Amino acid sequence: DTGVSQDPRHKITKRGQNVTFRCDPISEHNRLYWYRQTLGQGPEFLTYFQNEAQLEKSRLLSDRFSAERPKGSFSTLEIQRTEQGDSAMYLCASSPGQSSYNSPLHFGNGTRLTVT
Amino acid sequence: AQSVTQLDSQVPVFEEAPVELRCNYSSSVSVYLFWYVQYPNQGLQLLLKYLSGSTLVKGINGFEAEFNKSQTSFHLRKPSVHISDTAEYFCAVGGSARQLTFGSGTQLTVLP
Repeated sequence: DTGVSQDPRHKITKRGQNVTFRCDPISEHNRLYWYRQTLGQGPEFLTYFQNEAQLEKSRLLSDRFSAERPKGSFSTLEIQRTEQGDSAMYLCASSPGQSSYNSPLHFGNGTRLTVT
Repeated sequence: AQSVTQLDSQVPVFEEAPVELRCNYSSSVSVYLFWYVQYPNQGLQLLLKYLSGSTLVKGINGFEAEFNKSQTSFHLRKPSVHISDTAEYFCAVGGSARQLTFGSGTQLTVLP
């Protein structure tokens, strides 16, 4: 168990540019989540995958955001035409099993995005 | 709909003193409650969870929490804190939705 891995740890970009983050979940975890955390706030749910299927998306996930999980393994989160309000920590989490409550979320260390 | 209120944004406490971090929730469906801890520049780690059964839940690192349905609370306690407990603590609620709703966090600072 090597834990949830996120890349990069930090990303600085200019407004209007596109960025892509990667998440490698714990192997054999079939559930994968993306959360966003802004300074002084708790994480906010963005989207959820079970295997390769994206089953839920938050209203926070505007059409500039897209997430994929090809082959049900790693996932990518892309933000197009970044805005300063997108500056945040983007957290990925994974969990095994059928129920997310009996199987706690394992979080990665996050990708901190700064949009200048 | 579900929500979480963490009543204290910052809690300073001296080493070896007891601490209580307060959490109140609202949910229109079955309640599952969690406490997570976040150390600087790291992801969140599960401390403990309440799914059903005994209202007193014990977690890692000597923490425990009590589910109080009538007061809609899930306060986190530790009888004696250490410097290493300094971190941000998040209460979260899960209902019928698959995602968790987190509170805004409480920064616990343990002073020598």
